[in-house]
Amino acid sequence: GENVEQHPSTLSVQEGDSAVIKCTYSDSASNYFPWYKQELGKRPQLIIDIRSNVGEKKDQRIAVTLNKTAKHFSLHITETQPEDSAVYFCAASKGGSYIPTFGRGTSLIVHP
Amino acid sequence: GAGVSQSPSNKVTEKGKDVELRCDPISGHTALYWYRQSLGQGLEFLIYFQGNSAPDKSGLPSDRFSAERTGGSVSTLTIQRTQQEDSAVYLCASSLVGGQPYNEQFFGPGTRLTVL
Repeated sequence: GENVEQHPSTLSVQEGDSAVIKCTYSDSASNYFPWYKQELGKRPQLIIDIRSNVGEKKDQRIAVTLNKTAKHFSLHITETQPEDSAVYFCAASKGGSYIPTFGRGTSLIVHP
Repeated sequence: GAGVSQSPSNKVTEKGKDVELRCDPISGHTALYWYRQSLGQGLEFLIYFQGNSAPDKSGLPSDRFSAERTGGSVSTLTIQRTQQEDSAVYLCASSLVGGQPYNEQFFGPGTRLTVL
């Protein structure tokens, strides 16, 4: 089955810095890669996703890049703010499979 | 409209007792998923429903765990003879159409289960 590795497990940055979270996957058939944000005590929510037919997608301060050859994808957050502090999960799934495989999560801490 | 709801929000039980956790998905969502999240851990897949059927039960950790979904809507996750290692947050999610890779999962607030 699919295996998703996520790094780092914890990331501490100063407000205004950039943050990058990286994930690798094992199944070359995976073609959909969502990212979820889970604030403390709250439910995970989708923040951005990317499909395998594109290499990069941006939405304001967040962007995701995908390298299909290397089987890795990354979340980039620029100009971080304290409200970006949360646990971020990456996931991978493939056509015909409805169950995404999640990474173990990255706890992002943005210091004011 | 209303999002995914779960009840109870918190459940404290004694070791060996049975518990039932409930999930109300978003109306019209045919796919429903159960996950377990232990403290500081990721999302562990438990079971997936498409309508009332469960094509994938591969994540259920033992035969003490079972789930059902009736009327293509509400789902209950039952844990029999609870153990302390069952303590976790149980999350439910639903999506509009299962079987496709591009459907966003909407998560419920979770049920925090504590087994004493």
